[in-house]
Amino acid sequence: GAVVSQHPSWVICKSGTSVKIECRSLDFQATTMFWYRQFPKQSLMLMATSNEGSKATYEQGVEKDKFLINHASLTLSTLTVTSAHPEDSSFYICSASGTGGEDTQYFGPGTRLTVL
Amino acid sequence: GQNIDQPTEMTATEGAIVQINCTYQTSGFNGLFWYQQHAGEAPTFLSYNVLDGLEEKGRFSSFLSRSKGYSYLLLKELQMKDSASYLCALTGGGNKLTFGTGTQLKVEL
Repeated sequence: GAVVSQHPSWVICKSGTSVKIECRSLDFQATTMFWYRQFPKQSLMLMATSNEGSKATYEQGVEKDKFLINHASLTLSTLTVTSAHPEDSSFYICSASGTGGEDTQYFGPGTRLTVL
Repeated sequence: GQNIDQPTEMTATEGAIVQINCTYQTSGFNGLFWYQQHAGEAPTFLSYNVLDGLEEKGRFSSFLSRSKGYSYLLLKELQMKDSASYLCALTGGGNKLTFGTGTQLKVEL
């Protein structure tokens, strides 16, 4: 149980284009989903917290107009990187926590974004 | 705010026992997680401590002392596949996780 998927697993795009990443909880309902970014040899940095049906809460320094988050259902959240630039190249990881009130987050496999 | 410290790197021998420490300072504490992360992959859940004491799960055990702001992850009977980064993470309010920088463990023959 507690499987989270992400799509795509990797993407290469040109500078200035937008990229959408999907995060799905496959066998449980996720009240809350989280989006992280991880640069090489660094730890995960939380970008935003998303509750189903509500606007995402962004961490300090994360541009909400650049990183659009939608959490339309209890099993799906999307992150859209708008007007991507090379410095946005990173490993983007989502996680989800269930409806049982527990704190455990289950992570998706990550999406490797490369912006040329 | 939260501050989490872990050693950057550790090396151990196959079959041995290794202890990875994590110290923290935080204004709000709900629990402490340990995750394992192999290069290029997402973290996988290892353990969750809310109360003081030792939680044992197979070859892995995790200890927490809330009064000392201290936790450790103990790995027994090390295997080559245990070579990975081990992340200590705190949760305060709202299920938010704050990760430490991780400890890169290398298991050698």
